[in-house]
Amino acid sequence: EVQLVESGGGLVQPGGSLRLSCAASGFTFSDHYMDWVRQAPGKGLEWVGRTRNKGNSYTTEYAASVKDRFTISRDDSKNSLYLQMNSLKTEDTAVYYCARRGSCGNYCPWDYWGQGTLVTVSS
Amino acid sequence: DIQMTQSPSSLSASVGDRVTITCRASQGISSRLAWYQQKPEKAPKSLIYAASNLQSGVPSRFSGSESGADFTLTISSLQPEDFATYYCQQYSSYPLTFGGGTKVEIK
Repeated sequence: EVQLVESGGGLVQPGGSLRLSCAASGFTFSDHYMDWVRQAPGKGLEWVGRTRNKGNSYTTEYAASVKDRFTISRDDSKNSLYLQMNSLKTEDTAVYYCARRGSCGNYCPWDYWGQGTLVTVSS
Repeated sequence: DIQMTQSPSSLSASVGDRVTITCRASQGISSRLAWYQQKPEKAPKSLIYAASNLQSGVPSRFSGSESGADFTLTISSLQPEDFATYYCQQYSSYPLTFGGGTKVEIK
């Protein structure tokens, strides 16, 4: 059974940093691109960024709203995905989900999501 | 960026009703369109990919279609467990973008 479990959320002051983790199980983690998606309270879904797999050199993509502040990484030996968030702003307050991109060719949506972890940026 | 315009933003329907939600892409996305269902305080669930393909385990009352830049999610006979918010999403180009969501409520 595919499982994605996020952790590391919490309360942080504006300008601070936080690192989220996503522990994966039930599939070959190293094969898949992995993404972070967030949802501000009462709002819709917003894509944060992506890390590709080893075969694609672990390259990354980011939304403009987080580029140069957030960094996505992964450790295939630990089946884990990470989101390092720096220079946090109040508008970064959201539930952060990790999501697995499916295996259906060059273009593929997410097929599994974690349960999310809440990040609150407030003084 | 590709804008995804979803309508309506909310609707009220009864069990057994046929429900249709529409999503329009601001540019061509070559059928690279997915639909997700989200219940309150829960993670999104993947329903449809490539505009019309059901994810494994999704009931057949859900279907997707496309006509040019317009994409449609149809629930043929609404069930109690289908009351939720639905999002479309394009995965044709970065940044990946979502529609604003459609909340399906009980009439």
